Amino acid sequence: EVLLVESGGGSVQPGGSLRLSCAASGFTFSPYWMTWVRQAPGKGLEWVATMNRDGSETYYVDSAKGRFTISRDNTENFLFLQMNSLRGDDTAVYYCARGQQGTLDSWGQGTLVTISS
Amino acid sequence: IVMTQAPLSSAVTLGQPASISCRSSQSLEHNDGNTYLSWLHQRPGQPPRLLIYKISKKFSGVPDRFSGSGAGTEFTLKISRVEAEDVGVYYCMQATQLITFGQGTKLEIK
Repeated sequence: EVLLVESGGGSVQPGGSLRLSCAASGFTFSPYWMTWVRQAPGKGLEWVATMNRDGSETYYVDSAKGRFTISRDNTENFLFLQMNSLRGDDTAVYYCARGQQGTLDSWGQGTLVTISS
Repeated sequence: IVMTQAPLSSAVTLGQPASISCRSSQSLEHNDGNTYLSWLHQRPGQPPRLLIYKISKKFSGVPDRFSGSGAGTEFTLKISRVEAEDVGVYYCMQATQLITFGQGTKLEIK
């Protein structure tokens, strides 16, 4: 069974940093592109970042460029999202998702990030 | 690419059909010949789950009452007979050029 488990969320002041982790199990991690998607409270889904299989390619939504960094560890089967200079509009549940065939076929339960002073 | 869904909410009687449309601001046909348009369903308090990918391909375990169609910039998700478990929010998603989602369509039972 494919399992994605996010962790690392919490409450941080504006300007602070957080590192989210996504532990993958139940499948061979390295061949898959991986993506972070977020959902602000009561709002829709917003793509945040994507990384290719070996980490050589990364893509970000404009609002994350220069502040967020996606990375992965294919030996330990983890996906990460380093988030710096956090703002109020970064408050959201952050999901990691597995990509294949041009879609996101498996999603974690999400981790809540709250930015508040 | 901007994805626009309609309607944004819908109330349907159990056993009746439902339809959601999704329009993209430009063609979703990729250079490789595929069209990367997906539909996802999110129940309250749950993560999204994949229903349909590449316009009409049903993901594993998705009931037969769900179907997808369309081409270019116009796409439709249809539920042939709505069941109670189908309530929630439906999102279209394109992955032809990065990833963007529609605003979501909330489906309720009348």
